[in-house]
Amino acid sequence: DTGVSQDPRHKITKRGQNVTFRCDPISEHNRLYWYRQTLGQGPEFLTYFQNEAQLEKSRLLSDRFSAERPKGSFSTLEIQRTEQGDSAMYLCASSVGVGIRLFFGSGTQLSVL
Amino acid sequence: AQTVTQSQPEMSVQEAETVTLSCTYDTSESNYYLFWYKQPPSRQMILVIRQEAYKQQNATENRFSVNFQKAAKSFSLKISDSQLGDTAMYFCAFMKRPGGTSYGKLTFGQGTILTVHP
Repeated sequence: DTGVSQDPRHKITKRGQNVTFRCDPISEHNRLYWYRQTLGQGPEFLTYFQNEAQLEKSRLLSDRFSAERPKGSFSTLEIQRTEQGDSAMYLCASSVGVGIRLFFGSGTQLSVL
Repeated sequence: AQTVTQSQPEMSVQEAETVTLSCTYDTSESNYYLFWYKQPPSRQMILVIRQEAYKQQNATENRFSVNFQKAAKSFSLKISDSQLGDTAMYFCAFMKRPGGTSYGKLTFGQGTILTVHP
């Protein structure tokens, strides 16, 4: 069990730049989730994939955000024209079966200067 | 919409003692799950314990147990024989029973920082 892997671990960017994060779920986990966690707060749900289909998106996911899971394996989260308010930790999680137990990665910490 | 509230921003306990973290929630759902997650400095969210709302018996996992009061919408975590490795941020979380297109959508509280002192 290699766990959920996220890359990069840290990302520093300037306002207005585009950034992309990658998540590799646990092998054979068909469900994949993205959450965002700001400093001192609990994670907030962003979006959910079942295999390659994006089935739910939060209102937090503005049109500058896009997530994909092209082959039902790894997923990418892209933020276009980053803003300082996008600074947060972006967590990925995966699950299998009915999806009650989620396994989380260590997150990507984004800092927008 | 569901809300989860953790009213204790920080707690501390001496090693080997017992500590209780509080959590309340609000929902109109009747079938749901409640969780406690631990987030150490490594940042990885680790499941501590899970409670199914339809079960009256409180869940236990070794040194960790919960006090689930469904009518009061309260879900506290008790850590017995606290260890230095228990130092972390603890989050209470709610999940509606999965179904349809909704799976794995957790609603988290604000977290409680627990420090275990030697």
